[in-house]
Amino acid sequence: DGGITQSPKYLFRKEGQNVTLSCEQNLNHDAMYWYRQDPGQGLRLIYYSQIVNDFQKGDIAEGYSVSREKKESFPLTVTSAQKNPTAFYLCASSTDRGTDTQYFGPGTRLTVL
Amino acid sequence: GNSVTQMEGPVTLSEEAFLTINCTYTATGYPSLFWYVQYPGEGLQLLLKATKADDKGSNKGFEATYRKETTSFHLEKGSVQVSDSAVYFCALSDRGGGADGLTFGKGTHLIIQP
Repeated sequence: DGGITQSPKYLFRKEGQNVTLSCEQNLNHDAMYWYRQDPGQGLRLIYYSQIVNDFQKGDIAEGYSVSREKKESFPLTVTSAQKNPTAFYLCASSTDRGTDTQYFGPGTRLTVL
Repeated sequence: GNSVTQMEGPVTLSEEAFLTINCTYTATGYPSLFWYVQYPGEGLQLLLKATKADDKGSNKGFEATYRKETTSFHLEKGSVQVSDSAVYFCALSDRGGGADGLTFGKGTHLIIQP
């Protein structure tokens, strides 16, 4: 089955630690995205990538970093510089040829202790 | 800039009631419009979409019509079920191919009581 996987589903970290969230897709999509979701709010774009080895900042990139070394993978690192990292993180992907539809993974809930 | 405004929730209805969730948008170009649904603890699933004015998206009994004159994309369903309980997000893409991400509303929590 084609789809997007995120791991782990739940993640706990101590303040001051970096943590990396995994996102993998086998849909052969070129574009991938990371969003952050907070209670009672919509999704906000962190980073996106339209092609391998290229990515751009979204609306709330501060305190986050990404890489795109393979088409299938787009890991997100939450660094210690992110002031309020506790949130639900969603990864998505889409084709970049005339369609806007984004397909989402199941999400990772990050809690900073 | 682009923005999406949804009615605040939670919206509580009885089973078989008629549903409307309002959504209006502001965009600089000619956006595509979407409704996504999120069940507890899960990611978002595409419910329906419309890519140009007067298009109607439909899926699983839900419908929404792209109204350019009122900049709206209201979600409707004639008879809701308990299984429709979820959070519904209206979103737009106004960046040519969607490669720059979607702009989301804050979501509307729908609760259907038996």
